[in-house]
Amino acid sequence: EVQLVESGGGLVQPGRSLKLSCAASGFTFSNYYMAWVRQAPKKGLEWVATISTSGSRTYYPDSVKGRFTISRDNAKSSLYLQMNSLKSEDTATYYCARHNNYWYFDFWGPGTMVTVSS
Amino acid sequence: DVQMTQSLSYLAASPGESVSISCKASKSISNYLAWYQQKPGEAYKLLIYSGSTLQSGTPSRFSGSGSGTDFTLTIRSLEPEDFGLYYCQQYYEKPLTFGSGTKLEIK
Repeated sequence: EVQLVESGGGLVQPGRSLKLSCAASGFTFSNYYMAWVRQAPKKGLEWVATISTSGSRTYYPDSVKGRFTISRDNAKSSLYLQMNSLKSEDTATYYCARHNNYWYFDFWGPGTMVTVSS
Repeated sequence: DVQMTQSLSYLAASPGESVSISCKASKSISNYLAWYQQKPGEAYKLLIYSGSTLQSGTPSRFSGSGSGTDFTLTIRSLEPEDFGLYYCQQYYEKPLTFGSGTKLEIK
């Protein structure tokens, strides 16, 4: 059974950093592109980042490019999101998700909440 | 960026009824469209990809149609477990974008 479990969320002050983790199990992690998707309170979903199987290629929307860094450790079946220079608009539930052969998401984690506030 | 519009943010229906949820893209995305369901306390679940292909495990009462800019998710004979939030997502180009969601509630 595919399982994705996020951790690392919490309350952080504006301008500070936070690193999220996602532990994957139930599939060969190194074979799949992985991603982070977020959902602000009472808002829709927003794609945040994607990483290739080896980690050599990463993709971001303009809203987080230069501030967020996605990475992975295939030996540990783990995905990460380093978030720097956090803003109040980064407040959201962050979901770890697996890409299928195309750029949709076939499995999602339950999410971890990040609150950016002073 | 491709804007995805779900015109109905809320839809109420009774078990046994059929409903359709629409999703419109701001430009042609061929059939690069996925549908997701979220129920309270549960992870997002992929229902349909490529506009009309059911993901493994998706009940056959769900169907997807459309291509280009206009897409529809149809649920025949609603079951109580079908009530929740539904989102469409285009993966024709990056940035990947989602519709604003349609909440399906019990009437």
